[in-house]
Amino acid sequence: KAGVTQTPRYLIKTRGQQVTLSCSPISGHRSVSWYQQTPGQGLQFLFEYFSETQRNKGNFPGRFSGRQFSNSRSEMNVSTLELGDSALYLCASSTGTGGEQPQHFGDGTRLSIL
Amino acid sequence: GQSLEQPSEVTAVEGAIVQINCTYQTSGFYGLSWYQQHDGGAPTFLSYNALDGLEETGRFSSFLSRSDSYGYLLLQELQMKDSASYFCAVRDRGDYKLSFGAGTTVTVRA
Repeated sequence: KAGVTQTPRYLIKTRGQQVTLSCSPISGHRSVSWYQQTPGQGLQFLFEYFSETQRNKGNFPGRFSGRQFSNSRSEMNVSTLELGDSALYLCASSTGTGGEQPQHFGDGTRLSIL
Repeated sequence: GQSLEQPSEVTAVEGAIVQINCTYQTSGFYGLSWYQQHDGGAPTFLSYNALDGLEETGRFSSFLSRSDSYGYLLLQELQMKDSASYFCAVRDRGDYKLSFGAGTTVTVRA
């Protein structure tokens, strides 16, 4: 079974630009969550999508948005990029039902803002 | 929301035992999970405690005490490949958000 796939793996942008990251979950998984990870920080929760609906959202500004498609693939978008947005963005999928389910993470997209 | 605290770093020698504590503040959660992340890699699921007590999976064990708002991950017979960051996490029963601790970096020395 293929794992979680994130594209692109690396991305360099400049301040003020916008970026779209993609995540393909494990087949059959309906929940996709996004996290931001910076050096010395844990995984900061961005949002979770389940069956094309945003189930919950972390404490990030409105510049961070996402969506999920009918095939469970998800995208996240960051507009008006700032230097502080430089981070590893991780996507994780799970079945999304039945209480706690293990999160299966992709290798992430490393975003650098110049 | 939740607040989880764990030590930032632990260093030990091969063959030793390491215990990573995790204390949390939450009104209600499903259980305590642990994830491992090697440098440059993706976090991977290690264990999950839904109920109080000890769960053992090979060299790794995890413990939960809801009454003490406390859990730990025990790494036994440490190997060099265990050098990684370890994160505890809880999912809130109310808003279903999964919150992670800041992570503990374990360094195993020869």
